[in-house]
Amino acid sequence: EIVLTQSPGTLSLSPGERATLSCRASQSVSSRFLAWYQQRPGQAPRLLIYGASGRATGIPDRFSGSGSGTDFTLTISRLEPEDFAVYFCQQYGRSSITFGQGTRLEI
Amino acid sequence: EVQLLESGGGLVQPGGSLRLSCAASGFTFSSSAMIWVRRAPGKGLEWVSGISGSGSTYYADSVKGRFTISRDTSKNTLYLQMNTLRVDDTALYYCAKDASLTPYESSGYYYYWGQGTLVTVSS
Repeated sequence: EIVLTQSPGTLSLSPGERATLSCRASQSVSSRFLAWYQQRPGQAPRLLIYGASGRATGIPDRFSGSGSGTDFTLTISRLEPEDFAVYFCQQYGRSSITFGQGTRLEI
Repeated sequence: EVQLLESGGGLVQPGGSLRLSCAASGFTFSSSAMIWVRRAPGKGLEWVSGISGSGSTYYADSVKGRFTISRDTSKNTLYLQMNTLRVDDTALYYCAKDASLTPYESSGYYYYWGQGTLVTVSS
């Protein structure tokens, strides 16, 4: 099973700042099958990035994804108040799916 | 419009059983891959089980042998039968639809999610 490790566990920033979130895989992951989600309190997860760098429909362009192999990054260029939430990376394998443990982005 | 509506959660004692349902609409359910994901209090997201468009089923090691995923294509409903429940199965359970628009294909990411149903396992 591929383990995804996200860092940092908590990121404290202010609106307007840049956020960089990391997701490291225990073995190489196809970029095609690496996604990022945002989850706000009381809401379902929201797909942000698919295929490591593709923005999902309706996602603002301040969100971007990059990386390959075992190291992937989610960048939020200028934080808005609604961006403070928990972020998860996810990989899809032949017969299983795994999520990272999450990064909490707090003001 | 794609809609997913979970139901069936509740309070159950350790060792008990529960069946979750996910009523789907707005897409071709019979050929779509679907998953169940849970989030326990204070924890992250955990994939529980999945079913491919062709009906193959997959399980996380933590639930294998205890949970069963199934679907009724005549009712456009996804199920998760949960047996021998444990305290650490307590979580909000979500169903989600694979984002692929091609029948029987899996993209590996999930654009559509339900709002979740809460399962509490406690004596």
